[in-house]
Amino acid sequence: KNQVEQSPQSLIILEGKNCTLQCNYTVSPFSNLRWYKQDTGRGPVSLTIMTFSENTKSNGRYTATLDADTKQSSLHITASQLSDSASYICVVTLYSSASKIIFGSGTRLSIRP
Amino acid sequence: NAGVTQTPKFQVLKTGQSMTLQCAQDMNHNSMYWYRQDPGMGLRLIYYSASEGTTDKGEVPNGYNVSRLNKREFSLRLESAAPSQTSVYFCASSEALPRGGYEQYFGPGTRLTVT
Repeated sequence: KNQVEQSPQSLIILEGKNCTLQCNYTVSPFSNLRWYKQDTGRGPVSLTIMTFSENTKSNGRYTATLDADTKQSSLHITASQLSDSASYICVVTLYSSASKIIFGSGTRLSIRP
Repeated sequence: NAGVTQTPKFQVLKTGQSMTLQCAQDMNHNSMYWYRQDPGMGLRLIYYSASEGTTDKGEVPNGYNVSRLNKREFSLRLESAAPSQTSVYFCASSEALPRGGYEQYFGPGTRLTVT
């Protein structure tokens, strides 16, 4: 069964600290993996997208990594800011399908001053 | 360029009432989607439209109908609302990427409560 699992479910860190969020997937055949940021009360917004041949992608203080062999991805946030408080969702798309998109349940990140 | 817009933002219905959620995109995308998001769960696909005039069921289509009115608009209808349909509903559209895969853009969501 195609699944995307994220850990931890929630995380609280102090402003300025770094953190890493994890994503494991069993989706096959794999096309691409994306990380979304979802602020409370808003729709998800794309942070990074990686195909199976890419193993790292950065977007400012956000760096995503992908290990297609172990089917794991991580999202590293550097020097966290209060505005980073949000849910982060890992999403995997099946190969050549615009509709077969599997969403993880997300990690709820809270940044404390 | 407004992206993906949804109306209404909030709605409260009584069991058995009907309503239509509206969605429009101005990015000239062919593909559009309706998802629901429940606490502790990932977004689940209700219906998908690959192009004007075509619609396909997703993972959780029961109790819903859709209409792809034209390329811009994709509406979701609840004919007889049930408390189990209390959720946040997101509309999205997508474009194909040059190196493969699709980039999705989401609306702000509609928070629906059925009492």
